Amino acid sequence: TQLLEQSPQFLSIQEGENLTVYCNSSSVFSSLQWYRQEPGEGPVLLVTVVTGGEVKKLKRLTFQFGDARKDSSLHITAAQPGDTGLYLCAGEETSGSRLTFGEGTQLTVNP
Amino acid sequence: GAVVSQHPSRVICKSGTSVKIECRSLDFQATTMFWYRQFPKQSLMLMATSNEGSKATYEQGVEKDKFLINHASLTLSTLTVTSAHPEDSSFYICSAPGATPGTQYFGPGTRLLVL
Repeated sequence: TQLLEQSPQFLSIQEGENLTVYCNSSSVFSSLQWYRQEPGEGPVLLVTVVTGGEVKKLKRLTFQFGDARKDSSLHITAAQPGDTGLYLCAGEETSGSRLTFGEGTQLTVNP
Repeated sequence: GAVVSQHPSRVICKSGTSVKIECRSLDFQATTMFWYRQFPKQSLMLMATSNEGSKATYEQGVEKDKFLINHASLTLSTLTVTSAHPEDSSFYICSAPGATPGTQYFGPGTRLLVL
């Protein structure tokens, strides 16, 4: 079973601050996906990174996939209270579409 | 876009009863679906892979006789929690991979409370 370590698990910051969430593994993934989940709802896909070294931007969110396709990061610039939520990384196994999820990062942005 | 639905969204049952949760892919076919369980303030844990027309594949530690999975059609997978107990109370989520590699569509989840 492939493991994906996500950190930090909890993060509480003030509006306007920057933050980075990390996902690391010793295994190679065919893709790495980042989700955001609100309480009582299913996860919503933010982005999928596929190529080693790939960088994708989604407004104030920047996603990176490591060169070896084993790790990824999510950076949020100038966080806003609306960014509050549970952020999940998930690695897609090379042998199929099965996903391994990280432990999640509960982000709270205080106004 | 592709949508996955779940029914019911919430269910409360008595200990010892069985509960069936449906997962449907709308507007697309899914030969494979995945079932997850999520406890409060935790991440999603994969329970099993549902395969259309064949037996489900269960993750280590998940009892196949307790969590019955049936994938009878290309758009429907069901998870039945048999003889439910309070410790089975959780948020159950299903997903289905999309046609594009790296895409996965998640259902809205089912909140199960066993009294």
